[in-house]
Amino acid sequence: DVKVTQSSRYLVKRTGEKVFLECVQDMDHENMFWYRQDPGLGLRLIYFSYDVKMKEKGDIPEGYSVSREKKERFSLILESASTNQTSMYLCASSFTPGDTEAFFGQGTRLTVV
Amino acid sequence: KQEVTQIPAALSVPEGENLVLNCSFTDSAIYNLQWFRQDPGKGLTSLLLIQSSQREQTSGRLNASLDKSSGRSTLYIAASQPGDSATYLCAVTGSARQLTFGSGTQLTVLP
Repeated sequence: DVKVTQSSRYLVKRTGEKVFLECVQDMDHENMFWYRQDPGLGLRLIYFSYDVKMKEKGDIPEGYSVSREKKERFSLILESASTNQTSMYLCASSFTPGDTEAFFGQGTRLTVV
Repeated sequence: KQEVTQIPAALSVPEGENLVLNCSFTDSAIYNLQWFRQDPGKGLTSLLLIQSSQREQTSGRLNASLDKSSGRSTLYIAASQPGDSATYLCAVTGSARQLTFGSGTQLTVLP
């Protein structure tokens, strides 16, 4: 089975901190995605990557950056955490763009205080 | 821009009923449509993937259909059980190769 693993289930950080959310997949997938999920707003795409060292902005990239140094790992970085970044963050991966099933990690509930 | 709508937003049924969840999308130029399940506070679990050339997919008590030309998909759940209680999300992959999600249907199956 495909496994997408997010490094933390729950995180509490202070305003202004630099925050790293890590995601690892074990199926040699080319594509990796970061979403945030908020009540009433659904899932929104932050960034995605189709290859190592490649990244594309999604719908809401402001305040975030990403890093993909290895194929299996995709990191989401909050440069200076703010309270409006309190959310559920979900990582996903898939084999080829649009052609195959997307698999999600278990989610990271981030609270910024 | 692709928009995905799911109706109803919430549904409560007694155990054993067959039920249908609906998903519609505005741009028919899609690669595929995927149905997910999400339990409270958890990630998404993939249920079914329908490629744009397919009309339906089945897995156990679940059957999903796709009518690309009309921009509609349905998820049929047979003989519902309390363990089916969750939020069900549909998502389409379009020309931008990104998943666009609906807002979900929250299903409660009463014992």
